[in-house]
Amino acid sequence: AQTVTQSQPEMSVQEAETVTLSCTYDTSENNYYLFWYKQPPSRQMILVIRQEAYKQQNATENRFSVNFQKAAKSFSLKISDSQLGDTAMYFCAFMNAGNQFYFGTGTSLTVIP
Amino acid sequence: GAGVSQTPSNKVTEKGKYVELRCDPISGHTALYWYRQSLGQGPEFLIYFQGTGAADDSGLPNDRFFAVRPEGSVSTLKIQRTERGDSAVYLCASSPEFAGHEQFFGPGTRLTVL
Repeated sequence: AQTVTQSQPEMSVQEAETVTLSCTYDTSENNYYLFWYKQPPSRQMILVIRQEAYKQQNATENRFSVNFQKAAKSFSLKISDSQLGDTAMYFCAFMNAGNQFYFGTGTSLTVIP
Repeated sequence: GAGVSQTPSNKVTEKGKYVELRCDPISGHTALYWYRQSLGQGPEFLIYFQGTGAADDSGLPNDRFFAVRPEGSVSTLKIQRTERGDSAVYLCASSPEFAGHEQFFGPGTRLTVL
């Protein structure tokens, strides 16, 4: 079974600064997908960014980027120019070829004005 | 277009009662997932449908939990003889058929068992 580990239960960052959230996973598969989801207090999960394991290039979506290290099974999320609206729980997720999803325990991010 | 919807948004019931939670996926999405999320935890996989059939129900905790998707669209999660430990937010997500696509989540149903 795959496991996803987020070792930072809580983090904070000053507005406009950069923060990196860590995620590691364990799998014996070669083809899989990785995701970061954001869950604001409203509870609705929203996709932040997605990475295919077969792609070496790190995914980027505006202020959000990832550092994908396949050999190390690491998938960190970098948020640049943090905004107050980035305050939320962030979940790292792993999807295998069988469409099974596994989530980490989350990191609570607070952006401080 | 409309996103994933879940009803009710909140459900309070008494221990031992039966509950049904409904999920309306995005139109045309063939894959549908149910998750359970306890306070301070990430979503925990329960069951995954591809069309009308349950492709993977390995996450259902016991035989009190059952889910159906008879027409390949709306799904209902059914919990019999509810226990206090069943209290959680139940999330539904849908996805297009092809592998690796993101899941689109509903707002969840908060179930409280007294």
